[in-house]
Amino acid sequence: AQKITQTQPGMFVQEKEAVTLDCTYDTSDPSYGLFWYKQPSSGEMIFLIYQGSYDQQNATEGRYSLNFQKARKSANLVISASQLGDSAMYFCASQNFVFGPGTRLSVLP
Amino acid sequence: DAGVIQSPRHEVTEMGQEVTLRCKPISGHNSLFWYRQTMMRGLELLIYFNNNVPIDDSGMPEDRFSAKMPNASFSTLKIQPSEPRDSAVYFCASSIQGQRGEKLFFGSGTQLSVL
Repeated sequence: AQKITQTQPGMFVQEKEAVTLDCTYDTSDPSYGLFWYKQPSSGEMIFLIYQGSYDQQNATEGRYSLNFQKARKSANLVISASQLGDSAMYFCASQNFVFGPGTRLSVLP
Repeated sequence: DAGVIQSPRHEVTEMGQEVTLRCKPISGHNSLFWYRQTMMRGLELLIYFNNNVPIDDSGMPEDRFSAKMPNASFSTLKIQPSEPRDSAVYFCASSIQGQRGEKLFFGSGTQLSVL
């Protein structure tokens, strides 16, 4: 079965610093895409960013960007200039609607 | 513009009772997904519909779980009989066509507690 791996159960980052959250996708399909969603403590799931394997450039959305490495089948989420409100669970998901286990990010003041 | 609407927000029931969770997808979205979230198993896809037709129900845990989508604007997830291990947050999500590469829009979830 295709599997999403997020190796960091929890991460800490100092406010205003950048942080990278890891995601790799176990698939034999050369055409794939990976999503990132944020789940704050309030519980809702919020779409952040997406990139497909044939996209030429790394995706960016405001302070969010992807470090996409096609050969490794990874799409690491980079959050720049962390804010206290970034404290949340972050989930990587495949375009086949499968989610990884998530990474809990805590931003320290 | 209303998002995905789920009801109830919270449900507390006793083991053996029937539980029905409801979802209204975003108008114009043709695909609907049901997920279950627990600490132990994370987010699990239970079933998804495209144009009201179930496409993949391989994630439905067992026969006690059933899902229906009688029309484009309404879906239910039913558990009968409920068991304590069904306690979880159940999310409904929708997307425009359920195609690869489309993001999901999630509802606020239903927190189910089975005593």
